[in-house]
Amino acid sequence: QVQLVQSGAEVKKPGASVTVSCKTSGYTFTGYFIHWVRQAPGKGLEWMGRINPNSGGTKYAQKFQGWVTMTTDTSISTAYMEVSNLRSDDTAVYYCARALATWTQDYWGQGTLVTVSS
Amino acid sequence: QSALTQPASVSGSPGQSITISCTGTSGDVGGYNYVSWHQQYPGKAPKLMIYDVSNRPSGVSNRFSGSKSGNTASLNISGLQAEDEAEYYCSSYTSSSNFYVFGTGTKVTVL
Repeated sequence: QVQLVQSGAEVKKPGASVTVSCKTSGYTFTGYFIHWVRQAPGKGLEWMGRINPNSGGTKYAQKFQGWVTMTTDTSISTAYMEVSNLRSDDTAVYYCARALATWTQDYWGQGTLVTVSS
Repeated sequence: QSALTQPASVSGSPGQSITISCTGTSGDVGGYNYVSWHQQYPGKAPKLMIYDVSNRPSGVSNRFSGSKSGNTASLNISGLQAEDEAEYYCSSYTSSSNFYVFGTGTKVTVL
């Protein structure tokens, strides 16, 4: 069955960087996009961007251009998202999701809580 | 990023039907049939309920249905059950430089 398993919770200081991993199984990794979505405590979902594991091509929401980097390692069917220069308002649960070319996110990871605190 | 507009809360009694609206613009909801709806329980990951406006993934109850008229998409839940109490988010592709946008979220309460 399709599974996306994310790395564990992180606590970071302001200005630091964090990398969240998303290990996939149960399907052909290069056949689907990977989207990243975050959710601040008590808030709604916010789309961050997507990566095409087949080509490495990325699209980022304007807000995240320049300080979020999405990559993949096709040899281990894993996607990564690095957020740099963290601020306190980046405290959120970060989700990866498998997505079709039509932008539908059909399977989600369990989420990774990133806490930014001095 | 301008989120799609949803009512903050909708409630209904068991067995009733409710409808959640999702209002966007011609640059997102109105211009493309890439509207999805997700259900989210507290502390859990979202679950896809409807995609491409009105399609249901395998395993999702047929009590859930989606539609679109102009710049507004809708999620209808018929035969409301206690297990339907959750947060619901619409989302859509957008022609803006943000590419994709979620709705503000609607809390469904079963009375």
